Amino acid sequence: QQQVKQSPQSLIVQKGGISIINCAYENTAFDYFPWYQQFPGKGPALLIAIRPDVSEKKEGRFTISFNKSAKQFSLHIMDSQPGDSATYFCAASASGAQKLVFGQGTRLTINP
Amino acid sequence: EAGVAQSPRYKIIEKRQSVAFWCNPISGHATLYWYQQILGQGPKLLIQFQNNGVVDDSQLPKDRFSAERLKGVDSTLKIQPAKLEDSAVYLCASSQFLTGEQYFGPGTRLTVT
Repeated sequence: QQQVKQSPQSLIVQKGGISIINCAYENTAFDYFPWYQQFPGKGPALLIAIRPDVSEKKEGRFTISFNKSAKQFSLHIMDSQPGDSATYFCAASASGAQKLVFGQGTRLTINP
Repeated sequence: EAGVAQSPRYKIIEKRQSVAFWCNPISGHATLYWYQQILGQGPKLLIQFQNNGVVDDSQLPKDRFSAERLKGVDSTLKIQPAKLEDSAVYLCASSQFLTGEQYFGPGTRLTVT
């Protein structure tokens, strides 16, 4: 019940396209859903986060869509750029931003 | 603002040896986390400190792993004795308060041969 399932494992998108990564969870006590971006040799960096009182949050080219009833949330990257090529992790927490449970990660490649 | 510092960046040891990792969080951050990230997986929380006290160590293999944050600032994570399955990146993160956004360091890549 503590798991967060992330898909796909890898994704290739053309420059300018839309990248979509999905996550599903079981624990209804989760109340904080962040997305992290990780480049090789670096630690994860917070990209965007959402709480379940809203269904969508947008920051620049990055949007989180949240479906509470389906217990799913997704990351959309609009106008994807080669610099977006990285591994993306979704996560969830039942206690604010602490004790994060991470998904397995998605390796995103943006072809020029 | 300086980020989370970790050292060493890389470490190779033989199984049954011991190893220690060091973390210096962002100045003023009260909460410190250690995560284990196995290749191809997401980070897994090992231990969480609030100042110099342990908040959660439920996923720390206490027979071989130990961690401390004596003065509420720097922290060390130790493995003794190491096993092959301990090969991973060990990430340190800090946050200003208990439920605040976590900032990650670059990690220490451990290889156990």
